[in-house]
Parts: sequence; structure tokens; C-alpha cells
Amino acid sequence: DGGITQSPKYLFRKEGQNVTLSCEQNLNHDAMYWYRQDPGQGLRLIYYSQIVNDFQKGDIAEGYSVSREKKESFPLTVTSAQKNPTAFYLCASSIGEGGTEAFFGQGTRLTVV
Amino acid sequence: GEDVEQSLFLSVREGDSSVINCTYTDSSSTYLYWYKQEPGAGLQLLTYIFSNMDMKQDQRLTVLLNKKDKHLSLRIADTQTGDSAIYFCAESFDGGFKTIFGAGTRLFVKA
Repeated sequence: DGGITQSPKYLFRKEGQNVTLSCEQNLNHDAMYWYRQDPGQGLRLIYYSQIVNDFQKGDIAEGYSVSREKKESFPLTVTSAQKNPTAFYLCASSIGEGGTEAFFGQGTRLTVV
Repeated sequence: GEDVEQSLFLSVREGDSSVINCTYTDSSSTYLYWYKQEPGAGLQLLTYIFSNMDMKQDQRLTVLLNKKDKHLSLRIADTQTGDSAIYFCAESFDGGFKTIFGAGTRLFVKA
């Protein structure tokens, strides 16, 4: 079955540590996205990538980094520079320009302890 | 800048119609969307409307777009307990690469 997979579902991190969230899709989509979701707020865009080996900052990129070495994969690293990293992180993909639907993963809930 | 606003909660009785409202600020959007999120899960696209349309109907769902007032609504007919979820309004720009989401409306359906 085609889809987009995020792992792990739950992640705990100690303060000061970097952590990488995985996102893989087998939909052959060019575009991939990372969003952060906090209670009572809409999704906020962290980074997006329109094509392999290229990515752009979204609205809240500080303290995060990404890579897009393969079309299928778009991992997100939450660095120690991110001051408030506890949140629900959603990865999505779409066909790309002109696409009408973003397909979302099931999300990763990151908790800093 | 771009902004999308929704009320945070809506409660309806099973079998009634639900109407979830959304306002947006940027009229240059290409598509407007309604997504559904169930607890602990990702978002699922329910329906979308192109910005030059006024209405779209899909089974129990009716989307109305008032471009003059920058108002989008989602009507769910014969609301069921399985419709309980958070509903996000969103609009996209830049050929679809940039999407702005509202904060989501939590729909409670009472049996």
C-alpha cells in the first residue's frame, strides 16, 4: 500500500540532545513537508522540500534541520537550539506544483524530559 | 500576512447538521481545503474547493465559499458520532507549495 510513514510514534529526549524524526513515503511525490502542531494552534510549517537535494525554510525553522538525499525520505532533526521542542510533528507529501492534496503521516509526539 | 481563523469548538447532536466556519485574509489563494484529524493521527483531506468556485458537494459534505467576505464553511449533514474530530481549514499559495492552516475546530457529536 502506498503511503507516508513516520517513526517513531512517541519519542522522549533529554534536554540538550539532538533527535531525528523519520519520514518516508512511497507515493513518488516530489514535495515533502514538516509541520509542528501545538494545542490550540494551526499547523506551522518548519521546512519543505520541492525536489531532491533542495529544501526551504518554513515559518519556524530555527532550531531544526532537514536533509533530502532521496526522494522517499525527509528526516527532521530537532537540535538542542530549539527552545521549546515538545510538540506533535507531522510530515506530509504532495505531488508538487499544482497538486491539490497533501498526504500526512500519523505524526510523532516528541517530549523533552 | 496570511491568516486563517476558525472557532475552536462545536457541539451538535447526532443526526443534526454541523456547520464549521473559517475566515481567511489572503484572497490570492488557489485552493481551500478541509482536513479531518482524529486523536493521535495525521490529517486526512476531506474535500477541497478551487478558489473560483462557490460551492462543492460531496455526499454528506457541502463546502461554501464566499470570496467577497473571505469566508469558507463546511456543512456535514446527518452528523454521526464517527464525525467527532478536529477539522482544519487551510488555504494554499505559490502553486500549492505553501499552505496555511487554521487552528482547527473540535467537533463533539452527542448521541
